[in-house]
Amino acid sequence: AQSVTQLDSQVPVFEEAPVELRCNYSSSVSVYLFWYVQYPNQGLQLLLKYLSGSTLVKGINGFEAEFNKSQTSFHLRKPSVHISDTAEYFCAVSAGNKLTFGGGTRVLVKP
Amino acid sequence: DAGVIQSPRHEVTEMGQEVTLRCKPISGHDYLFWYRQTMMRGLELLIYFNNNVPIDDSGMPEDRFSAKMPNASFSTLKIQPSEPRDSAVYFCASSLKGYEVNEQFFGPGTRLTVL
Repeated sequence: AQSVTQLDSQVPVFEEAPVELRCNYSSSVSVYLFWYVQYPNQGLQLLLKYLSGSTLVKGINGFEAEFNKSQTSFHLRKPSVHISDTAEYFCAVSAGNKLTFGGGTRVLVKP
Repeated sequence: DAGVIQSPRHEVTEMGQEVTLRCKPISGHDYLFWYRQTMMRGLELLIYFNNNVPIDDSGMPEDRFSAKMPNASFSTLKIQPSEPRDSAVYFCASSLKGYEVNEQFFGPGTRLTVL
């Protein structure tokens, strides 16, 4: 079985500042890793994914994440956030057909 | 493609009533998932289907919950009888067969309130 821990439940950040959202996972097998974003009153949208290859993954809206196998981490970063990045972000891990989600991190971008 | 479609978007009902949530997956997707999202428990997988067949329903909370997929373009999640603790946002998601099977596309959700 796999599990996902998102270490921060809320992250306030000022507009144009950088942000990092932390995600650690545990799994006994090789996994695929995902970050999803949920804007208010909407469903989840895929930001980026790691399946194999380069450990630095670039996604939409200027986000990127780095897979670190030794630390079992998949942290999400953005160098400069916008007000529109205010949302909840979910890290997810899969082995097989099911996704296991972390508890989510709420990002509040302040002007 | 219109994406995953869910109806209704909002449902308010009274305890004891039957509730039916509906989902139309993206055309051509082989997998369909039902999730429940609450503040207390986060995002939970309830059940998923592959080619219309239920594969894993271990997340279904109890016998009051049932899900069907009569064809490739339609699925329902039914709660009978409903209870206040069932209040949540229910999401349907679908995905393709193959190595990207886990890239799931989510619908907008149904917000259920049971009074």
